[in-house]
Amino acid sequence: GNSVTQMEGPVTLSEEAFLTINCTYTATGYPSLFWYVQYPGEGLQLLLKATKADDKGSNKGFEATYRKETTSFHLEKGSVQVSDSAVYFCALQVNTGNQFYFGTGTSLTVIP
Amino acid sequence: SQTIHQWPATLVQPVGSPLSLECTVEGTSNPNLYWYRQAAGRGLQLLFYSVGIGQISSEVPQNLSASRPQDRQFILSSKKLLLSDSGFYLCAWRGQSNNQPQHFGDGTRLSIL
Repeated sequence: GNSVTQMEGPVTLSEEAFLTINCTYTATGYPSLFWYVQYPGEGLQLLLKATKADDKGSNKGFEATYRKETTSFHLEKGSVQVSDSAVYFCALQVNTGNQFYFGTGTSLTVIP
Repeated sequence: SQTIHQWPATLVQPVGSPLSLECTVEGTSNPNLYWYRQAAGRGLQLLFYSVGIGQISSEVPQNLSASRPQDRQFILSSKKLLLSDSGFYLCAWRGQSNNQPQHFGDGTRLSIL
């Protein structure tokens, strides 16, 4: 079947630290992969996406590379800021279906 | 550009009362539409999705229902709310083409007393 597994949180980092949030997936077809960010009390916002193997999605200093060989799409940022504190969701969509499959979310808190 | 609107933003309802949450999309046609529920501190649970007017797929058995009376309107309803219906409800839309992301509304915070 289709599923997404994210690293358990919460994650607490100091400002300017390096961030990695792990995401692995299983898919029956050829998935597109996404990272979403949710700030407190808000809906989810698309952060970045990758639609085929070896694609790198990037936005606002965040990056993730679609690794087919390891079925992974880890989110990274070189230097986090307090404003990056939020919940991050990894998701996949198989191109033959209408549904999205979300991970359980990883809460990130960045302290000054 | 496309926009999605959800209302109300917050709602407090007594147990046993009815519910109607509305979601509308502007700037696109024939979108896929979705309703999710997010319990406090938890992930997303897909409740319903729709690929066209009058076409509703339900993911979980529950006392909620969904309807799509117009192309860009998606309504979540209940005849009698339960305490377990409390949560954060999110509407999302997606274009019909492959590889398109979902785009989310700002959500409705529903509290059942």
